[in-house]
This record gives sequence, structure tokens and C-alpha cells, in this order.
Amino acid sequence: QVQLVESGGGVVQPGRSLRLPCAASGFTFSNYAMHWVRQAPGKGLEWVAFISYDGSNTYYADSVKGRFTISRDNSNNALFLQMNSLRVEDTAVYYCARDRVWGAYTPGPFEYWGQGTLVTVSS
Amino acid sequence: DIQMTQSPSSLSASVGDRVTITCQASRDISHYLNWYQQKAGKAPKLLIYDASNLETGVPSRFSGNGSGTDFTFTIISLQPEDFATYYCQQYDNVPITFGQGTRLDI
Repeated sequence: QVQLVESGGGVVQPGRSLRLPCAASGFTFSNYAMHWVRQAPGKGLEWVAFISYDGSNTYYADSVKGRFTISRDNSNNALFLQMNSLRVEDTAVYYCARDRVWGAYTPGPFEYWGQGTLVTVSS
Repeated sequence: DIQMTQSPSSLSASVGDRVTITCQASRDISHYLNWYQQKAGKAPKLLIYDASNLETGVPSRFSGNGSGTDFTFTIISLQPEDFATYYCQQYDNVPITFGQGTRLDI
């Protein structure tokens, strides 16, 4: 069955960096686009970033553009979110999610989600 | 950015009730609208994609409708496990945006 497992969360000071991995299994990872979505404590869902199945196309929310980078390693079935210049307002649970559409270059529905990893940005 | 306005923000209902949630987009998004369910402490779950398509394995008491700017999500005959928060989401345009959520309580 499809499994997405995020890790790498924790407490980090403002201005520092953090890298979140998401390990994928149960499907052919290289065939599907992926997303990062976050949820601040007690708040709604916010889409963060998208990467196409082959890594050639990426999109970002304005709130993270220029600070966060989404990438993938199709050889090792892994998705990443490199987060630089972290701010207090980046505090959230970060989810990776698999797109529903095979071979997508543009975003589609988020069919499978990981359990999330909590990132807390605080001094 | 496309704004998604979801209503109501909260809703109280009983087992067996029929409930409807609406979602309005700030501009035409065709049928590029999805609905998710999120239970406390859990990841969201896709229920309806492309406005009216039921995701595999999702009970038929859930349904969606609409196109353009106005969409509805309905649960007929509420079950105890349906009490959760529901979000609409558009993916017609980047940035992908979600509605603010509807909390469904007993």
C-alpha cells in the first residue's frame, strides 16, 4: 500500500535552516508528482510546493518562494523540502502528499498524504 | 490568487442528518475543485476530486457538485465517523488554495 513518511521536524531558531525528507513506498515514485502542504497549529491547510514526476517543474507558494526548495530523488524514492531563513510563521505540521495523476507536470488532487512532521521555529 | 470561500465555518448536526457545505471561488475554476476530510490529529483524506468524482473507497453518502465558481459538498445520513473538518481546494491555478474549513460537530 502507498506509504509516505515525513521526518526531520523539530525546534529550530529563526533564520536557521531545516531539511525535511519524505520516504515513499508502495508505488512507482518516479511516475507521480508530489506536494508539500503545511498546517499551522489550530489553523487550516496551506499548500507549500509542487514538483512534477521528473523534477523538471516546480511551483511554490508566495510565502515560501526564494526560501524553500522542493526536490526529489527518484532513485531512492525520496522527496525533500529544504527550508532556509526560517520564520516564526513557518511553524506548522508539514505533510508530503502524492498527486493523483500519473505523469503530471502540473498539480492535481492530493490522493495520499503522510502523517506529517512538526516544525517549530522559535528562539 | 484564487480565494476559496467556504461556508459555514462550523456546523452542528446529528447522526442521520443531511448536511451541505458550499465553496465559492473568486473566479472561474471549471471543475478543478477537490474536497478533503480531516480528523483531529490526522492527515487530510481526499473524498471528492474534480468537483463530483468520488475517490475510490469513499462511501457513496458523500457527494459533490458544481462548476465554475460555485460548488457544494453533501453528506446524506451522517455517520458518527463523519464528524471532522472538511476543506475545499482549487487546483485550476497556482498557488493552489484551500477554503478555510468547515468543522462538523455533533
